[in-house]
Amino acid sequence: DGGITQSPKYLFRKEGQNVTLSCEQNLNHDAMYWYRQDPGQGLRLIYYSQIVNDFQKGDIAEGYSVSREKKESFPLTVTSAQKNPTAFYLCASRATSGSFYEQFFGPGTRLTVL
Amino acid sequence: QKEVEQNSGPLSVPEGAIASLNCTYSDRGSQSFFWYRQYSGKSPELIMFIYSNGDKEDGRFTAQLNKASQYVSLLIRDSQPSDSATYLCAVNKGRETSGSRLTFGEGTQLTVNP
Repeated sequence: DGGITQSPKYLFRKEGQNVTLSCEQNLNHDAMYWYRQDPGQGLRLIYYSQIVNDFQKGDIAEGYSVSREKKESFPLTVTSAQKNPTAFYLCASRATSGSFYEQFFGPGTRLTVL
Repeated sequence: QKEVEQNSGPLSVPEGAIASLNCTYSDRGSQSFFWYRQYSGKSPELIMFIYSNGDKEDGRFTAQLNKASQYVSLLIRDSQPSDSATYLCAVNKGRETSGSRLTFGEGTQLTVNP
């Protein structure tokens, strides 16, 4: 089955720790995205990557970092500089050939800071 | 002013009624518009997209776009309890139509009562 996997499903972090959220896709999509969702809120873009070895900041990149060393993987690190990291994190991917392709979402990781 | 605004919820309709969800956007140059459905605790899934002024129908769903008024709506006919979810309006930044970078509204929670 093709799709997007995120792990872990739930993650607990102590204050001051860096944590890395995994996102893997086997859809052969070039573009990948990280969003953050707070309770009762829409999605806010953290980082996105249109191609391997290249990525751009979204609207709320401060306190986060990413890498895109492989087409199928786009891990997100939540650093200690992110002051309020408790949220639902969603990874998405999208094909870039052709005129339009939707963004497909993974199942999400729920991060809680203890 | 928020880039994408949705009518505040929650919205409650009886089974079989028409549910109307509204969205306005601030970037007059935006070209493509998306409606995602998100069940509680799950990731969003695309249900409709629209580029051109007017109506676009898909089964029980109709998306309506009025670029002059910077307004997009989603109508759900014959609402079912399974339609109970949060509906997110998303707008593609700038003049791209490919869905490459989306700005989301905060969502409208819909409850369909049996």
